[in-house]
Amino acid sequence: EAQVTQNPRYLITVTGKKLTVTCSQNMNHEYMSWYRQDPGLGLRQIYYSMNVEVTDKGDVPEGYKVSRKEKRNFPLILESPSPNQTSLYFCASSLDDRASVFFGPGTRLTVL
Amino acid sequence: KQEVTQIPAALSVPEGENLVLNCSFTDSAIYNLQWFRQDPGKGLTSLLLIQSSQREQTSGRLNASLDKSSGRSTLYIAASQPGDSATYLCAPKEYGNKLVFGAGTILRVKS
Repeated sequence: EAQVTQNPRYLITVTGKKLTVTCSQNMNHEYMSWYRQDPGLGLRQIYYSMNVEVTDKGDVPEGYKVSRKEKRNFPLILESPSPNQTSLYFCASSLDDRASVFFGPGTRLTVL
Repeated sequence: KQEVTQIPAALSVPEGENLVLNCSFTDSAIYNLQWFRQDPGKGLTSLLLIQSSQREQTSGRLNASLDKSSGRSTLYIAASQPGDSATYLCAPKEYGNKLVFGAGTILRVKS
């Protein structure tokens, strides 16, 4: 089944403890992105990647890192999480600029 | 900077009604526009994709139109059902595979 998977789906952590949220797609998509969704602010892009080893900042990149070493994987790294990074995170992928974007199921992160 | 507005913010209708959800955006330099539905606490499900060169796209009871020059898109839902209850999001796509989302329309269809 064509899909975008994320792990973990739920995570509760404490301030300052490094964490990684994994994202993988099996559709051979070139483009991958991370979004966060917050009440009243909607969905906003954190980082995107248009190819292996090519990544760039979205609208809210502060406090996050990404890497794209393989085409199928695009992990989101929080080096030192803070409470304001408590949010619902979505990974997304698409074949190219004109194709549909597919979203993963989401990761609900709580930073205490 | 692209801004997306969706009207109405919420809608409650009896089953069987035909609905119109509106989306407006400020920057017409887009590749396409995608409509999604989101159930509470869940992920986004793609409903329709309209390319910037297209005027309309249909899937089952759903029809979406796009007027890029005026910055408007409309999602039409025919013969609404309780299972259509969800939040509907429109998102024009910009460079960087970036979708810019509106706040959404919360739809409730009563049986």
